[in-house]
Amino acid sequence: QLQLQESGPGLVKPSETLSLTCTVSGGSISSSSYYWGWIRQPPGTGLEWIGSIYYSGSTYYNPSLKSRVTINVDTSKNQFSLKLSSVTAADTAVYYCATSDYSNYGPYNWFDPWGQGTLVIVSS
Amino acid sequence: DIQMTQSPSSLSAFVGDRVTITCRASQTISSYLNWYQQKPGKAPKVLIYSASSLQTGVPSRFSGSGSGTDFTLTISSLQPEDFATYYCQQSYSTPLTFGGGTKVEIK
Repeated sequence: QLQLQESGPGLVKPSETLSLTCTVSGGSISSSSYYWGWIRQPPGTGLEWIGSIYYSGSTYYNPSLKSRVTINVDTSKNQFSLKLSSVTAADTAVYYCATSDYSNYGPYNWFDPWGQGTLVIVSS
Repeated sequence: DIQMTQSPSSLSAFVGDRVTITCRASQTISSYLNWYQQKPGKAPKVLIYSASSLQTGVPSRFSGSGSGTDFTLTISSLQPEDFATYYCQQSYSTPLTFGGGTKVEIK
C-alpha cells in the first residue's frame, strides 16, 4: 500500500524558493500506474492543485503558478519534489503530496492516498 | 478554468439526519467528479470518485450522484465521525480544481 511523506523547511523567507520532497514507500515511483501530485491549502481555506508529474517526467502545472513551479522525480530515491520560487506570504499553506491513478490522457483522476501535509510559513 | 461551487458552505445537523451537499461545475465535466472528507489537521480522504463510485472502505451511508454540471453527496444517516469538511474536485481537465468546501457541524 502506497504511503507518502512530505519533508522540507517549515519557514521560508519572502522572495526565496520553497523546496519540498515527497518520499514514496510501499511502491515504486517509476510505476507506470500513477501520477504524483502536489496540492496546497492556505490556513483556514480550500484546496489548490499545484501540479502533477509522471515518472517519465511529463508535467502538468496549474497556470496560476506555472511560472514559479518546478516538479521533478528522483527515481533513485523514490521521491518527487516541488520547488516554488519567489514566494510571498500568499504562499503560506499546508502542502500535501498525493498520487492519482494513471490515465492515457493525463492526471485526470482523484487523489489517493495523500501525505500528512507539511506547513510552510513564508515570513522574514 | 472550471469553477466548482459547493453549497451550502456550512450546515448543522443532528446525528441520524440525512445530509445533502451539492456541487456545481461552471461547465460540463461528465462524471469526472470526486468527493473528499477532511478532518481538522488531517489530509483529505477520498469518499466518492467518478461521481458515484464508493471508495473501498468507505461506509455505505455515503453516496454520490449527478453528471454534467450538477452533483450531490448524500450521507444517509449522519454519524458522530462524519463531522468534517467535505470538498468536491473535478478531474475533467487541468487545472484540477476543488470546491470551496462544506463544513458539517453538530447541531
